[in-house]
Amino acid sequence: EADIYQTPRYLVIGTGKKITLECSQTMGHDKMYWYQQDPGMELHLIHYSYGVNSTEKGDLSSESTVSRIRTEHFPLTLESARPSHTSQYLCASSETPRSDTQYFGPGTRLTVL
Amino acid sequence: LAKTTQPISMDSYEGQEVNITCSHNNIATNDYITWYQQFPSQGPRFIIQGYKTKVTNEVASLFIPADRKSSTLSLPRVSLSDTAVYYCLVVEGGAGSYQLTFGKGTKLSVIP
Repeated sequence: EADIYQTPRYLVIGTGKKITLECSQTMGHDKMYWYQQDPGMELHLIHYSYGVNSTEKGDLSSESTVSRIRTEHFPLTLESARPSHTSQYLCASSETPRSDTQYFGPGTRLTVL
Repeated sequence: LAKTTQPISMDSYEGQEVNITCSHNNIATNDYITWYQQFPSQGPRFIIQGYKTKVTNEVASLFIPADRKSSTLSLPRVSLSDTAVYYCLVVEGGAGSYQLTFGKGTKLSVIP
């Protein structure tokens, strides 16, 4: 089983609040990813990182930001949450981007009122 | 950008073999094809990965023709617990950058 964790699992918050979604992995993987997924819809890559101090935007534009100060930690931040940010956010990691598998966390379901 | 196309949904009875095909017409020479399974409110889980011909593991087989423009995930003797969404993923990229493309997924419903 993969060792990748996300907290919180569920978050309900009011508009305008700043939030940080946590993601940690204990596998020493260099590559980490954030996906956004609405119920019944496909996954969209919003951020990824090759390693420490590396972050890139994915194919879906997102108002969130990420940081990668430590290999094992890849938090996602929304400075001012809006109802349009309501979604499920999934974090994943992989040892290398090609051929190796991605291991997904359990996800954070965010609801912005 | 190698987009993927899958059937939106499939139904199958328990005990039958299920084949889900994914089209990826623009797959690049060094790209791999990976399939994931996702249950509601969970993150996707790796099923199988391949580059060409046939790959088999304890849960599925993956068939990839010589032109690699498509792939077929085969689930033998499905059970109710195989009801899930199945995603086809092509990992692509150039020097120093990688774009990941999930298909829209195929919702498999296994009927008793």
